[in-house]
Amino acid sequence: DTGVSQDPRHKITKRGQNVTFRCDPISEHNRLYWYRQTLGQGPEFLTYFQNEAQLEKSRLLSDRFSAERPKGSFSTLEIQRTEQGDSAMYLCASSRINGRTGELFFGEGSRLTVL
Amino acid sequence: DQQVKQNSPSLSVQEGRISILNCDYTNSMFDYFLWYKKYPAEGPTFLISISSIKDKNEDGRFTVFLNKSAKHLSLHIVPSQPGDSAVYFCAASQDYGGSQGNLIFGKGTKLSVKP
Repeated sequence: DTGVSQDPRHKITKRGQNVTFRCDPISEHNRLYWYRQTLGQGPEFLTYFQNEAQLEKSRLLSDRFSAERPKGSFSTLEIQRTEQGDSAMYLCASSRINGRTGELFFGEGSRLTVL
Repeated sequence: DQQVKQNSPSLSVQEGRISILNCDYTNSMFDYFLWYKKYPAEGPTFLISISSIKDKNEDGRFTVFLNKSAKHLSLHIVPSQPGDSAVYFCAASQDYGGSQGNLIFGKGTKLSVKP
């Protein structure tokens, strides 16, 4: 059983550049989540998809952030005009609709460093 | 304003003894609570959960206790093993029956189990 896969694992960029992260969920999972984790903090919810529909977005998700899941399979998270405060680990997770409540399967994360 | 608080950043216990990790919450609307475990360079993994209608849930060496009146939950690990050394995150949800993945995490407690 392949787990949640994220790419790239680490991205270093200069302030003002755009970055995109990709997440491939577990194949039979129709729910997909993006979380962000900064040093010393727990993961913070960003957004959630059920199949291709984006059903929930956090107020943390500014308009520089956009997430898509065009065919209900993989997802991308794009950050435009990056700022140093965007430096964090971006975690993707997936789950099944009829899975155990709150049981998310996380990927290893994509670490973003904005210089 | 932290809705889920883990006030102990770290805990050290001897192998074979009990580990008790604590978590407090402020939002009385939370209806589901979870514990996740995280090893370095890996994503968090689900450990155990409890619904707000229960006060205890047990799974092998792991037991979660919920005290709703005190807005407090704890994770007991008995007996502790060196492989349990990890960061433990407490999480809560107020979306039971909805996305079930918009989780509010605490900052985590780093458990070290010494041989």
